[in-house]
Amino acid sequence: QKEVEQDPGPLSVPEGAIVSLNCTYSNSAFQYFMWYRQYSRKGPELLMYTYSSGNKEDGRFTAQVDKSSKYISLFIRDSQPSDSATYLCAMSRGSQGNLIFGKGTKLSVKP
Amino acid sequence: ETGVTQTPRHLVMGMTNKKSLKCEQHLGHNAMYWYKQSAKKPLELMFVYSLEERVENNSVPSRFSPECPNSSHLFLHLHTLQPEDSALYLCASSQGVGVQMAFFGQGTRLTVV
Repeated sequence: QKEVEQDPGPLSVPEGAIVSLNCTYSNSAFQYFMWYRQYSRKGPELLMYTYSSGNKEDGRFTAQVDKSSKYISLFIRDSQPSDSATYLCAMSRGSQGNLIFGKGTKLSVKP
Repeated sequence: ETGVTQTPRHLVMGMTNKKSLKCEQHLGHNAMYWYKQSAKKPLELMFVYSLEERVENNSVPSRFSPECPNSSHLFLHLHTLQPEDSALYLCASSQGVGVQMAFFGQGTRLTVV
């Protein structure tokens, strides 16, 4: 089993839809969870950062972590065409641990 | 504009060439990283530097040779590459190793012919 599993998509939704992106993981030692957004031909940019379990909201974006299920989610409300990008989940054990990335989910929001 | 700048943005090189990728961070961070991003694969960590010292080398072939002359600059020297080395090479930095918010550059798109 891979450490981090992420459905690569592609995922296509109409403008205004609620988008749900997910990752599962196998290492229960992961404590730090991140979502990166990567536009075509660009480097990943940090979107959301969460420590341990719980929810975090930032504008239209909500990150959820369920450590008991080893499952993290990113919700995008009122999705816009400018949200079209690849979304990468990443996580680590913390301390000296390195980031482990999912493959990324390619999202397309149609006007 | 990110605080991590990579040059060149695109590079085409033959298998016998020698070239270098450059990364510069303007964030005052102490840790720098090289990642490889290939199609349909997760980001692969190649090298980690903390305060100019290499702290991790993830079984990367010797045809990739990193250099970190100071905490703001990182290089990746390339020689006798293979076509399967074609990928997006990303540099990142963070406040310290194990500090989880890493900031990435725009990447160098490398094509080996």
